[in-house]
Amino acid sequence: DAGVTQSPTHLIKTRGQQVTLRCSPKSGHDTVSWYQQALGQGPQFIFQYYEEEERQRGNFPDRFSGHQFPNYSSELNVNALLLGDSALYLCASSLGGVQGVYEQYFGPGTRLTVT
Amino acid sequence: GDSVTQMEGPVTLSEEAFLTINCTYTATGYPSLFWYVQYPGEGLQLLLKATKADDKGSNKGFEATYRKETTSFHLEKGSVQVSDSAVYFCALASRSNDYKLSFGAGTTVTVRA
Repeated sequence: DAGVTQSPTHLIKTRGQQVTLRCSPKSGHDTVSWYQQALGQGPQFIFQYYEEEERQRGNFPDRFSGHQFPNYSSELNVNALLLGDSALYLCASSLGGVQGVYEQYFGPGTRLTVT
Repeated sequence: GDSVTQMEGPVTLSEEAFLTINCTYTATGYPSLFWYVQYPGEGLQLLLKATKADDKGSNKGFEATYRKETTSFHLEKGSVQVSDSAVYFCALASRSNDYKLSFGAGTTVTVRA
């Protein structure tokens, strides 16, 4: 049983560019949440997708957007990249929307470096 | 808003030593509390959780008790191993925050043989 997978593993982008990160949830899970983890910090909640809609959002600007596909996989898009967007981006999957917070499974993350 | 404060690290211990990582929280209402662990180069793993006051979460020799009176959820392990070297995060989720996970800054633990 595959766990949560994310791609790519690492990514280097230039300021002003756009990036797309991908996440496949654990088998049987229908909810995907995205987090940003800056170096030396705890993860910060970006948003959650359930039933192909954004259900919750943290304090992130509109440059951060996402999508969930019918197979429950998800994408995180960041436009107009800033140096401060450099971080580890974590995807977590769970079951049942917001109630899934009690049992979230995290992927290994995508390390984004903005130069 | 809801928040979590963890003791600062790094923490360095010898094998078989006792480990305590302090965590206190601020929240409206009655949050659920979690400890996550992040091993080098990996994502986070749920270590244990507690959903109401006086609950004790336990897993892999780690324990934490939800103390409402002191708004705390301290993590303990009686005898650490080198394999316990990791970053530990305390987190909470509450109805008042729409069940969004809020994490502490993390505590780096290094166990030496």
